[in-house]
Amino acid sequence: GAVVSQHPSRVICKSGTSVKIECRSLDFQATTMFWYRQFPKQSLMLMATSNEGSKATYEQGVEKDKFLINHASLTLSTLTVTSAHPEDSSFYICSARDGADMNEQFFGPGTRLTVL
Amino acid sequence: GQNIDQPTEMTATEGAIVQINCTYQTSGFNGLFWYQQHAGEAPTFLSYNVLDGLEEKGRFSSFLSRSKGYSYLLLKELQMKDSASYLCAPMDSNYQLIWGAGTKLIIKP
Repeated sequence: GAVVSQHPSRVICKSGTSVKIECRSLDFQATTMFWYRQFPKQSLMLMATSNEGSKATYEQGVEKDKFLINHASLTLSTLTVTSAHPEDSSFYICSARDGADMNEQFFGPGTRLTVL
Repeated sequence: GQNIDQPTEMTATEGAIVQINCTYQTSGFNGLFWYQQHAGEAPTFLSYNVLDGLEEKGRFSSFLSRSKGYSYLLLKELQMKDSASYLCAPMDSNYQLIWGAGTKLIIKP
C-alpha cells in the first residue's frame, strides 16, 4: 500500500514557540491531505483539508491563523502550530488521498506534540 | 447530523471470536472503513465495504448493511496483539471520513 511519512514523530517545545510538522506521500501523488488531532481516549478530529495549490479548508472551531497549513506540492503538506500553548499538546496525524482513488486515505504515523 | 455508535470497550479471550458492531448516520454514503489503532499510534487500514455483504480478509471480516446503517467487524482466532481500538469510519457524500471514539478491545489470556 501507499506510504505516508510524518516528521518529526515527537516534539517538545516551550510555550510561545512555533512548531512545523511535515507530511509526505512517498510513492503517490496526494492531491488532498487531511490534518487530524487526537486527544487521549478521544476520537480523531479533522482540523483541515488541504488540496495541492489551494488554501486549506478548516473545520469549524479550528483557528486558521494558529494552525497554518501549506500544501505546496503533490507530495508535501506542512502544519505549523504558531505560538503553541500547553493546550495544543496532542497527537497530530496527517492522511493523504490519491486523486485517482477518492475512497482511500493513507495515514502517516503521527506526531506527538508536547508544549511545556 | 452525522454520528457513529460503537461500544466503548469490549473484552475477549485469546483464541476466541469477537464481533464489534457499528451503527452510523451520515450525509450521503461512499463506503465504510474499519481501522485499527494501537495506543499512541496512527490508525491502520483494516477493511473497506461499499456494497452490502461480508468481506473476508484473513482473520478479519467486515459486514455492511446500508439500509440499516449497520456494520460489524469480526475478529477470529484472537491474539494478544489484537488488543487495540477499532474505529468504524463511514465516508460521507464529500468523501470525508466520519470518526467516532472507537471500541477499545481488551484481549485476555
